[in-house]
Amino acid sequence: GAGVSQSPSNKVTEKGKDVELRCDPISGHTALYWYRQSLGQGLEFLIYFQGNSAPDKSGLPSDRFSAERTGGSVSTLTIQRTQQEDSAVYLCASSLLAGGPVNEQFFGPGTRLTVL
Amino acid sequence: QQQVKQSPQSLIVQKGGISIINCAYENTAFDYFPWYQQFPGKGPALLIAIRPDVSEKKEGRFTISFNKSAKQFSLHIMDSQPGDSATYFCAAVSGGGGFKTIFGAGTRLFVKA
Repeated sequence: GAGVSQSPSNKVTEKGKDVELRCDPISGHTALYWYRQSLGQGLEFLIYFQGNSAPDKSGLPSDRFSAERTGGSVSTLTIQRTQQEDSAVYLCASSLLAGGPVNEQFFGPGTRLTVL
Repeated sequence: QQQVKQSPQSLIVQKGGISIINCAYENTAFDYFPWYQQFPGKGPALLIAIRPDVSEKKEGRFTISFNKSAKQFSLHIMDSQPGDSATYFCAAVSGGGGFKTIFGAGTRLFVKA
């Protein structure tokens, strides 16, 4: 079946512009996660959704970052007034269940964001 | 605030050798420890995982060793192959809810042919 898809695959924007990154999770997966991966670095947790709600927004680096999920499916990560330090690969993952000890996350290919 | 520390940052191993990557965690609330493998240009993919009630789990050439008292766990790749060349991330998942995953910084493995 189809995996997690993300769009666009690459985004180049100018400092100060807003960007929207989209994630289509695997059908039926209730949990959805956003991570940020800077060049050569590990994965930084940004936000997690259980259905349409986001119980944990603690990873969002600033109030310029926001995310929403509609219909328990597609999610959008929005970065307002982008800064050069926002340049990174933004990864989305989904998992079948969020509660419980087993939590295999399936990752999308990521969106590479470059802020000039 | 890094809660999962991973080492080494990079590793070069001869084909057929053993690759060993180590991780240590601080939060005792973690109750699930997966390892993810990431190839360039791809998202990470689950490789193998362990729960803290076992000390070792083996799947093919990949083995996780877990030391609960020391709060350490490691990945061993036996008979390493060039196709294993990738970045490996250890992770720890929060107990109870099981939703928040904290990743290590990653280890870039290169297996020489």
